[in-house]
Amino acid sequence: AQKVTQAQTEISVVEKEDVTLDCVYETRDTTYYLFWYKQPPSGELVFLIRRNSFDEQNEISGRYSWNFQKSTSSFNFTITASQVVDSAVYFCALNHFSGNTPLVFGKGTRLSVIA
Amino acid sequence: EADIYQTPRYLVIGTGKKITLECSQTMGHDKMYWYQQDPGMELHLIHYSYGVNSTEKGDLSSESTVSRIRTEHFPLTLESARPSHTSQYLCASSAAGGWDTQYFGPGTRLTVL
Repeated sequence: AQKVTQAQTEISVVEKEDVTLDCVYETRDTTYYLFWYKQPPSGELVFLIRRNSFDEQNEISGRYSWNFQKSTSSFNFTITASQVVDSAVYFCALNHFSGNTPLVFGKGTRLSVIA
Repeated sequence: EADIYQTPRYLVIGTGKKITLECSQTMGHDKMYWYQQDPGMELHLIHYSYGVNSTEKGDLSSESTVSRIRTEHFPLTLESARPSHTSQYLCASSAAGGWDTQYFGPGTRLTVL
């Protein structure tokens, strides 16, 4: 069975601090896909990134970066120099390579960035 | 940018009413999903479909029903709304493979009085 754990329920930081959101997954598959989504107060889930299990290169996009480590089954997300607009709930998700089963989501981490 | 639409965006109705939440996508995606979510909380999959005339129940038991008569349309119906149905309902779609990103609509916030 596949499982995604986001152990941090809520995180609060002061603006300009760096923050890392943890994501640990479980799967027996050798090929799988990982995703991060952002849900701002407006409610819509916004896709941020996807990764396949064969690509362990870290990814950077502006202030966002992702660290994928198969050895620890983790796919952590770091926001550098956080801003108030980063306040949202962030979800990590896992998908089987075939896509024949629905995406498995973690329970989310609520990030509050205080000015 | 994903093209997936939900109507209405907000709905307040009385107990016992029948309601249908609409979801449409213009991307030609085979797969569509309905999630129930209390604001900012865990996502609960209630229904999904992998193609026309195919529907499955999700992890969370729901009193709602769905249909998939056309690829682009996946409506969700509550025959008799109750206050316990008050929640946000999110529709999503994706192409066929595990690599394919699931895109979400803006959601419908339902309040049952």
